[in-house]
Amino acid sequence: QVQLVESGGGVVQPGRSLRLSCAASGFTFSSYGMHWVRQAPGKGLEWVAIIWYDGSNKYYADSVKGRFSISRDNSKNMLYLQMNSLRDEDTGVYYCARDVGSSSSSWYDPWGQGTLVTVSS
Amino acid sequence: DIQMTQSPSSLSASVGDRVTITCRASQSISSYLNWYQQKPGKAPKLLIYAASSLQSGVPSRFSGSGSGTDFTLTISSLQPEDFATYYCQQSYNTLDLTFGGGTQVEIK
Repeated sequence: QVQLVESGGGVVQPGRSLRLSCAASGFTFSSYGMHWVRQAPGKGLEWVAIIWYDGSNKYYADSVKGRFSISRDNSKNMLYLQMNSLRDEDTGVYYCARDVGSSSSSWYDPWGQGTLVTVSS
Repeated sequence: DIQMTQSPSSLSASVGDRVTITCRASQSISSYLNWYQQKPGKAPKLLIYAASSLQSGVPSRFSGSGSGTDFTLTISSLQPEDFATYYCQQSYNTLDLTFGGGTQVEIK
């Protein structure tokens, strides 16, 4: 079955770095755009980044631009999020999600189970 | 940025009730509107895409409508498993996707 499994979360001090991974299975990973979405504790959902199916284009939310980098390895069915210069407000659960939308729109199915990132001194 | 405003932020309802949740966009987004359901401690799940298309496997008691700036998610007869938080998402601007603040549906 189609599955996304995130890993790499943990507790990190402000200003430090962390890399999240998302392992995809059950579908042709190289055919789909992928997203990262996060959720601060007790709060709503915030889109973080998108990467095209072939890695040719990447876009970021203003809140993470210049600090986070999305990448993928289609040979390994893996998606990554490199997070640098972490801030307290980056704390939350990070989800990877498959984009199954059309050429002009996006919607996500499925989502991974999420990995918790806690930025704290 | 396109701002998405959901109302109400929470509601209490009984099993069997008809429930309506509203989502308003700060500018016209045509029909580029999706709805997700999230249960506590779980990942969101896609319910409706493109404003009114039901995702495969989602019960038919869920329906979506609207276009432009005003959209609605309706649960025709609330079931125990429907108590959750619901989010709308605009996908008009696919390079800056935004979600509504969520609507928590609680048991009355």
